[in-house]
Amino acid sequence: TQLLEQSPQFLSIQEGENLTVYCNSSSVFSSLQWYRQEPGEGPVLLVTVVTGGEVKKLKRLTFQFGDARKDSSLHITAAQPGDTGLYLCAGVMDSNYQLIWGAGTKLIIKP
Amino acid sequence: ETGVTQTPRHLVMGMTNKKSLKCEQHLGHNAMYWYKQSAKKPLELMFVYNFKEQTENNSVPSRFSPECPNSSHLFLHLHTLQPEDSALYLCASSQDPSGLGETQYFGPGTRLLVL
Repeated sequence: TQLLEQSPQFLSIQEGENLTVYCNSSSVFSSLQWYRQEPGEGPVLLVTVVTGGEVKKLKRLTFQFGDARKDSSLHITAAQPGDTGLYLCAGVMDSNYQLIWGAGTKLIIKP
Repeated sequence: ETGVTQTPRHLVMGMTNKKSLKCEQHLGHNAMYWYKQSAKKPLELMFVYNFKEQTENNSVPSRFSPECPNSSHLFLHLHTLQPEDSALYLCASSQDPSGLGETQYFGPGTRLLVL
């Protein structure tokens, strides 16, 4: 059983549509990071959320940390082909400061 | 360009071969990491080095042998690998050596295929 479950595993949509991907756990995290990994590259940090209920925006991307700090979501408005990639969440455990990774959501935006 | 480079980018090796992966970071960071990335699985942390000292070894088989000669370079020596070791091997670095919660900067990875 994975500590961080990401859903959906795969999503393919048309350019211009909106989407939300999720990162869920039964554990509490002191912070949570979202990374995007493009084909042939390593993950690149998009944002870190720290406070329960926190919302951060990065252009068309909106990240939210759950009130209880157990889950997070990423919403993309008007998706573009450049948003294509593997979206990974990673949480820092409150108890042992270990970084726990989700398996990722593979997102394809079709022109 | 993240400031972390990895060579080679692709590697095909037989189970009896010996090869090494190289990682170099140009960010002045103090911590370096090796991860294994397999399809549809979370990143698996293999090794952590802080100030050239190994601080984590997540039950990695001895056929993987890391080396960190200085805080800018990290190697992963491979020998007698198995086909299930085929994966993308990612190197990362971070400024703070005390916590994995720091932002990690990843290299592009080495795609390894073991035949």
